[in-house]
Amino acid sequence: EIVMTQSPATVSVSPGGRATLSCRASQPISTDVAWYQQKRGQAPRLLIYAASTRATDIPARFSGSGSGTDFTLTISSLQSEDSAVYYCQQYNDWPPYTFGQGTKLEIK
Amino acid sequence: QVQLVESGGGVVQPGRSLRLSCVASGFIFTNYAIHWVRQAPGKGLEWVALMSHDGSTKYYADSVKGRFTISRDNSKNTLYLQLSNLRTADTAVYYCARAHSPNKNNWFDPWGQGTLVTVSS
Repeated sequence: EIVMTQSPATVSVSPGGRATLSCRASQPISTDVAWYQQKRGQAPRLLIYAASTRATDIPARFSGSGSGTDFTLTISSLQSEDSAVYYCQQYNDWPPYTFGQGTKLEIK
Repeated sequence: QVQLVESGGGVVQPGRSLRLSCVASGFIFTNYAIHWVRQAPGKGLEWVALMSHDGSTKYYADSVKGRFTISRDNSKNTLYLQLSNLRTADTAVYYCARAHSPNKNNWFDPWGQGTLVTVSS
């Protein structure tokens, strides 16, 4: 089973700033990574797939990068609405599909 | 628009059973694999099960294998998850999620709104 490890667990950034969220896979997974945003009380929403491709209607403030074992989600020009938990997921080697434990983004 | 709507959650005693449903609309149901993913209160996301677009293949997480059964009725555009021999650790919001691409097993998009299953005596 591929283990996905996210860091940090929580990050606090000021409005207008930039957040960098990391995700590491326990073995190489090419670019088979997706990122999801989950706001409180809501279902997850797809942000990024294939490590760096934005999903439909996702603003350019969200960007993904990485390949192999190390991946990054960068959110720039942060807005209060970006407060959420962000999950990475691998779909390279399954079952099982595996998610990271999540990074909570706080806008302060 | 593409939509998934779950139902069937509720409060159930340990050892009992429950069936969840996921009704799909806005796309050709028979072209897509569908997943169940769960989230325990205050915890992260855990993949539970996958059924292929044609129903020929099923996969389960080890934590539910032998207790949960995934199925689909393509005539009703509906995916099911039969939960049996429930444990308190199965308490979670259960989401159905579609594979993004037809006839492929890749990332999940979209997701339903979820249905809460509470296992408690």
